[in-house]
Amino acid sequence: DIRMTQSPASLSASLGETVNIECLASEDIYSDLAWYQQKPGKSPQLLIYNANSLQNGVPSRFSGSGSGTQYSLKINSLQSEDVATYFCQQYNNYPLTFGSGTKLEIK
Amino acid sequence: EVQLVETGGSLVQPGKSLKLTCATSGFTFSNAWMHWVRQSPEKQLEWVAQIKAKSNNYATYYAESVKGRFTISRDDSKSSVYLQMNSLKEEDTAIYYCSLFAYWGQGTLVTVSS
Repeated sequence: DIRMTQSPASLSASLGETVNIECLASEDIYSDLAWYQQKPGKSPQLLIYNANSLQNGVPSRFSGSGSGTQYSLKINSLQSEDVATYFCQQYNNYPLTFGSGTKLEIK
Repeated sequence: EVQLVETGGSLVQPGKSLKLTCATSGFTFSNAWMHWVRQSPEKQLEWVAQIKAKSNNYATYYAESVKGRFTISRDDSKSSVYLQMNSLKEEDTAIYYCSLFAYWGQGTLVTVSS
């Protein structure tokens, strides 16, 4: 199985700051990576697919990058509505696997 | 508008069976590759199963943790996907989501406990 190591586990940042969340795959996943946002009590929502493609309707302050085994999610100009847990997921190989999540809070 | 609505979750004893249903609308279901994903009480997401479309011979894939116990199926005439869960274990306790990955249902809670 491909292991997805996500960091940090939690993050506290101020409004307007830029934050980065990292995801490391245990093998090359050829950019078959998605990022999801999950707000408390809600279902996950797709933010980014194919490592760097923004899902329709997602604010442009979210961006994804990376290749091979290393990927990152960047949130510019942090807003209060960005408080959530963020997950990465690889879909290059079965079983599809998720990272353990990054809980983002406002300082 | 795409809608995915899961039903069928409940409290069930270990070793028993349960069948989840996901009713969908707002997209061409017959072409869609459907997934079940679960989220444990510790909030970890785990992919459970996938079923592809008729054009892919309805191919199915499973997580190792459920292989041989769970069966994913679909009824294109009803735009619905199902998850038959047998020999349930306490570690199957989770919210079960039906998903296209671009779209997710609201989830249905399965609790396995004596």
